[in-house]
Amino acid sequence: DAGVTQSPTHLIKTRGQQVTLRCSPKSGHDTVSWYQQALGQGPQFIFQYYEEEERQRGNFPDRFSGHQFPNYSSELNVNALLLGDSALYLCASSLVGDTMNTEAFFGQGTRLTVV
Amino acid sequence: GENVEQHPSTLSVQEGDSAVIKCTYSDSASNYFPWYKQELGKRPQLIIDIRSNVGEKKDQRIAVTLNKTAKHFSLHITETQPEDSAVYFCAASRSNFGNEKLTFGTGTRLTIIP
Repeated sequence: DAGVTQSPTHLIKTRGQQVTLRCSPKSGHDTVSWYQQALGQGPQFIFQYYEEEERQRGNFPDRFSGHQFPNYSSELNVNALLLGDSALYLCASSLVGDTMNTEAFFGQGTRLTVV
Repeated sequence: GENVEQHPSTLSVQEGDSAVIKCTYSDSASNYFPWYKQELGKRPQLIIDIRSNVGEKKDQRIAVTLNKTAKHFSLHITETQPEDSAVYFCAASRSNFGNEKLTFGTGTRLTIIP
C-alpha cells in the first residue's frame, strides 16, 4: 500500500499564474482533504471532498478550488497565485463514517514556491 | 471558528527525561484530539489520539490526557530518545474519528539532547 501520494513534490510558479496539485488517496479511503502549511505553522484546512463534492470548506478565498474524481483521487487548483500562497500543500485521505480506522492519513505534500 | 493554541513552541530535553506539550481548544463541540509528529521534509504522522469520552490514553512511552471541562489536552513523552526529535502538532475535530476538518496548533519543535 503506497499510502497517500501527491504530485508534484516541488513546484515553482510566478505570481498571477495558476497551479494544479494532485493527490491519490490511501487504498480503501473515499474522502480527501487539503491543507496548507506555511513555514513554521500548523496545517490549515482548505476543504474536503467526498462523493465528488465539496463537503466542508475552511477560510480560503475562491481562488482555491478542487475536484474529486470517481476513483477518489483529487486535484487542488489555485488561481491568480500570490507570494503568500507559497507553502507546503498537504493532502489527507480518510474514510467517511463514525467507526474506527477512518482517521486521516497524510501524504508528503507538494512544496509550492511563488516568485 | 475553532482555535487551538499550543505551548511551548520549542522544547529541549535531555535524553531519558520526559517532555510535555500542552494544547487548549475553543470549540466545546470538539470530540477528537490527535497528535501528529512531523520530521523534517516528511508527512505528519499520527502518533496517538484521544476521544472526548476518555480522560487518558497510553501507548508505550507516549500518553495523552484530556480535560474537557477546561478544554485542554497534553502529550507526555517519557524516556525520550534522539529519534523523538521532531515537530509535534496537536489538533481538534468535531468528528469522533478524525475524518472531518482538523484544526491544528502551531507546533512544538522538540529537540532531544544526547
